[in-house]
Amino acid sequence: QITLKESGPTLVKPTQTLTLTCTFSGFSLSTSGVGVGWIRQPPGKALEWLALIYWDDDKRYSPSLKSRLTITKDTSKNQVVLTMTNMDPVDTATYYCAHLHGSYHAFDIWGQGTMVTVSS
Amino acid sequence: QSVLTQPPSASGTPGQRVTISCSGSSSNIGSNYVYWYQQLPGTAPKLLIYRNNQRPSGVPDRFSGSKSGTSASLAISGLRSEDEADYYCAAWDDSLSAPWVFGGGTKLTVL
Repeated sequence: QITLKESGPTLVKPTQTLTLTCTFSGFSLSTSGVGVGWIRQPPGKALEWLALIYWDDDKRYSPSLKSRLTITKDTSKNQVVLTMTNMDPVDTATYYCAHLHGSYHAFDIWGQGTMVTVSS
Repeated sequence: QSVLTQPPSASGTPGQRVTISCSGSSSNIGSNYVYWYQQLPGTAPKLLIYRNNQRPSGVPDRFSGSKSGTSASLAISGLRSEDEADYYCAAWDDSLSAPWVFGGGTKLTVL
């Protein structure tokens, strides 16, 4: 059974750097075709894809946020970390990590999400 | 402004069939598979349809997907009260807009 769980601060100040950790189980991020992505959702708004890391360490970013994002993986710890610099109140959202199915090539299993508020 | 366009709302009565549309372009829906997600209030999205019309294990066959050109649709037959949720389409995109794009979401109300 695949599970993912996001962890990190619930409150950050403007200009600070956000670091979120996705801890997963039930799959290996060294398996061909597999990936872990990050998606966010501001309150009452639509989903926005942020970043994706593949089993082979290939990384993809949302072009609009690329300069602020870094995604890394620690296969031995079953963790994926997302950092976002220069946080702004508009970045207030629920942040989800999700498993990328190697065959479906879609985010099939999602974490419960973690709400991050950006405020001074 | 989402890359994929969905109607903001849809509604139907129990037992009815409803469809939700998703419009894109040649770089996303036109050349890649379409996926659909259901998001119940206060929960994470759930994959409903993958590769245009395939259902993951456990998804009822009341849910079906289709694609034609640069548009796609999600159909829900035998509507139930528990289907009241937000629905999002998604696709990979070959342009520089973003490798993975979502629609703006459609809120389905069961009257």
